[in-house]
Amino acid sequence: GQQLNQSPQSMFIQEGEDVSMNCTSSSIFNTWLWYKQDPGEGPVLLIALYKAGELTSNGRLTAQFGITRKDSFLNISASIPSDVGIYFCAGPLRGTASKLTFGTGTRLQVTL
Amino acid sequence: SQTIHQWPATLVQPVGSPLSLECTVEGTSNPNLYWYRQAAGRGLQLLFYSVGIGQISSEVPQNLSASRPQDRQFILSSKKLLLSDSGFYLCAWTAGVTQYFGPGTRLTVL
Repeated sequence: GQQLNQSPQSMFIQEGEDVSMNCTSSSIFNTWLWYKQDPGEGPVLLIALYKAGELTSNGRLTAQFGITRKDSFLNISASIPSDVGIYFCAGPLRGTASKLTFGTGTRLQVTL
Repeated sequence: SQTIHQWPATLVQPVGSPLSLECTVEGTSNPNLYWYRQAAGRGLQLLFYSVGIGQISSEVPQNLSASRPQDRQFILSSKKLLLSDSGFYLCAWTAGVTQYFGPGTRLTVL
């Protein structure tokens, strides 16, 4: 099936450090979405990628759509305490634009 | 702008009791609507989705059901809750591929 594998599963970093996480699949995706979920809240869309090779930034966040269309990367520069949360990648299931499959998430902890 | 609401925010229910969670969307018409469940520390599991009034697709066999009585209202129900129904329930809407989530309902079944 179209599964999304995220790594690392969790990260513990110090404030100010840069963060890199990725999402891979054995299937091709035409869209990659990155969400962040704060504890006890719904996921919030961070970045949407629609084209292979696309590199998009949103403040300190940068995401790339892999050339093979089977992976995507999310980088966070100069992390701050409010970056704490779970980061999910997601992409539309094959044959439908209306249903998404989600990765297993990367839990980020930031220490002062 | 579009907003999505869920209530209640938290709920504690005994095993065997009924359930009704509500989701409403404002600022858009004819959205696709979704119910997800998230177990503690886990990913999102799609339960139901709807492309229109009265149109419900179930993704996972279970003792839950969903209904869409109005264009922007999506309801998740159960006649008899199980312990395994505990979790964080999220409603989402979409226009195109991108999904936008509500604040969630934390359900604890005791």
